[in-house]
Amino acid sequence: DAMVIQNPRYQVTQFGKPVTLSCSQTLNHNVMYWYQQKSSQAPKLLFHYYDKDFNNEADTPDNFQSRRPNTSFCFLDIRSPGLGDAAMYLCATSRDRATYEQYFGPGTRLTVT
Amino acid sequence: AQSVTQLDSHVSVSEGTPVLLRCNYSSSYSPSLFWYVQHPNKGLQLLLKYTSAATLVKGINGFEAEFKKSETSFHLTKPSAHMSDAAEYFCVVSEADSWGKLQFGAGTQVVVTP
Repeated sequence: DAMVIQNPRYQVTQFGKPVTLSCSQTLNHNVMYWYQQKSSQAPKLLFHYYDKDFNNEADTPDNFQSRRPNTSFCFLDIRSPGLGDAAMYLCATSRDRATYEQYFGPGTRLTVT
Repeated sequence: AQSVTQLDSHVSVSEGTPVLLRCNYSSSYSPSLFWYVQHPNKGLQLLLKYTSAATLVKGINGFEAEFKKSETSFHLTKPSAHMSDAAEYFCVVSEADSWGKLQFGAGTQVVVTP
């Protein structure tokens, strides 16, 4: 009965080689979020989708893009990964915005070689 | 503007003893407050939430937290720690006018010793 699913759980990519991380949800929630979490730090919001409306955080690098083809799926694309992009990437969903709790997936651990 | 301060970066407790994780918040509006737990290499799991109902909030796995507006605190407690409670804990605030954006504290690492 997994609710927020992320694939793969572990991803290794080469410096500069594009990579895509996947998130799907069975909750039918309107909002989907992508966070970056580096070691021993709190998660940092990259962007979110409110339905089809894309919202980028001001400090999210242009190297990071996202797609949401339908309600259930959301993708994180890293166009040219650098060593500093190695992190855990967390997907989350919420029923709506405005103080509804967020449900997190298990994360994808990205390694850049 | 909203912010969260977790007063302890590390807490070590013995199994069977109480756990106290301290959190203070700053918020311009009526906040919603959450505690999340993260086990190693896992996602975040919601422990409990406060959304302006009862000030004492009970969560999963025996955790509870008390919202104290006068002290701007939302401390997390558990009467008796289990080995499985060893994890990172995040105190999180969300304001009604911030479209639900979560502001995370820096986290508290809990170690449970036998």
